[in-house]
Amino acid sequence: NAGVTQTPKFQVLKTGQSMTLQCAQDMNHNSMYWYRQDPGMGLRLIYYSASEGTTDKGEVPNGYNVSRLNKREFSLRLESAAPSQTSVYFCASSGQGYGYTFGSGTRLTVV
Amino acid sequence: AQSVSQHNHHVILSEAASLELGCNYSYGGTVNLFWYVQYPGQHLQLLLKYFSGDPLVKGIKGFEAEFIKSKFSFNLRKPSVQWSDTAEYFCAVNAQAGNNRKLIWGLGTSLAVNP
Repeated sequence: NAGVTQTPKFQVLKTGQSMTLQCAQDMNHNSMYWYRQDPGMGLRLIYYSASEGTTDKGEVPNGYNVSRLNKREFSLRLESAAPSQTSVYFCASSGQGYGYTFGSGTRLTVV
Repeated sequence: AQSVSQHNHHVILSEAASLELGCNYSYGGTVNLFWYVQYPGQHLQLLLKYFSGDPLVKGIKGFEAEFIKSKFSFNLRKPSVQWSDTAEYFCAVNAQAGNNRKLIWGLGTSLAVNP
């Protein structure tokens, strides 16, 4: 099925380790997003990419970096993981219709 | 700055009860409006959306929402809820300005339906 694919689904990191969350969409969408979801705080935008070749900070970019590798792929990197980055991470994409399509999420625990 | 407010943080209903979840936004221009649902342990899925036209929009699973421009509201309704409607519901708004695709999200409403 067409959609947004995120990997991995689960990850446990030690404080200070690095990792990259991968996201790919096959709907030819221009815009892609990374969110984190924490209890009681809704969805918070980390970074987004309005189109291939551009990236911009969202509400909570500190401690993260992103790469829009091509139109399909948008990765999120944690250079030095901290316990405060324990969260569920969602990638999303949007096209002409403005609505978002979400990936299935990555549950990250930093110990 | 644009914002979205969902008034009810937690709602508990019995099956067959009627549901109305409030959503208000702050933006004076033309907007696109969305309701998303997140079932336990899953990702967000689109329930319904409003871009223009009939302010009463119907979505999946018997949900509907009414856009009232004068009240800056887009409330979600369902006449008779089921246990399977237990989920978190998010309202989101996108200002129709240029090529902007960013959605502004409410904090969500957690709905628990007791069988």
